[in-house]
Amino acid sequence: GAVVSQHPSRVICKSGTSVKIECRSLDFQATTMFWYRQFPKQSLMLMATSNEGSKATYEQGVEKDKFLINHASLTLSTLTVTSAHPEDSSFYICSARGLGYSPLHFGNGTRLTVT
Amino acid sequence: AQTVTQSQPEMSVQEAETVTLSCTYDTSENNYYLFWYKQPPSRQMILVIRQEAYKQQNATENRFSVNFQKAAKSFSLKISDSQLGDTAMYFCAFTTNTGNQFYFGTGTSLTVIP
Repeated sequence: GAVVSQHPSRVICKSGTSVKIECRSLDFQATTMFWYRQFPKQSLMLMATSNEGSKATYEQGVEKDKFLINHASLTLSTLTVTSAHPEDSSFYICSARGLGYSPLHFGNGTRLTVT
Repeated sequence: AQTVTQSQPEMSVQEAETVTLSCTYDTSENNYYLFWYKQPPSRQMILVIRQEAYKQQNATENRFSVNFQKAAKSFSLKISDSQLGDTAMYFCAFTTNTGNQFYFGTGTSLTVIP
């Protein structure tokens, strides 16, 4: 089945630093990748949608200058949290889908803690 | 606008029993796909089952089956012979014909009681 790899699984960083999270589709070409943020016991909150080679589309209320998304190839998307602050601490999940009406395939998520 | 509603925040079921999780959605599209995802404590999102809107036959995957009522815009998940490993958050999801948007419900936390 389709596999999406997300790294790192956990990261602790100091306030003011930047953190990059990678999302790779290992055995299929991901035409679209999605980045979600999830608070404890809540649903997934869509942050942005990215298509290979084009700028990401951000959801309302998500700061594009703070959450930089790059979808450089059909198998890789990155989310960079710039100048991280403690309120950015959360669980971030990426997902990818191929062509047509394929379901979303999810990475294992990244637990970000900003101290 | 497309919306997905899960009206049961929490549910519990005895091991080996059957439980049904509810999901309703709203769309003006005629062609779309519906999904149920499971998120266990590990937080990995796992696809449980999917249903194409143009198919009348309800999808089945082993102990998991759906009751898809297109006119009522209802998509419930039935788990038979519940197992302890079924304890998880369950999210109903929906994608439109254009395929570039996924909509998730708020989730139902299911606990299987031994």
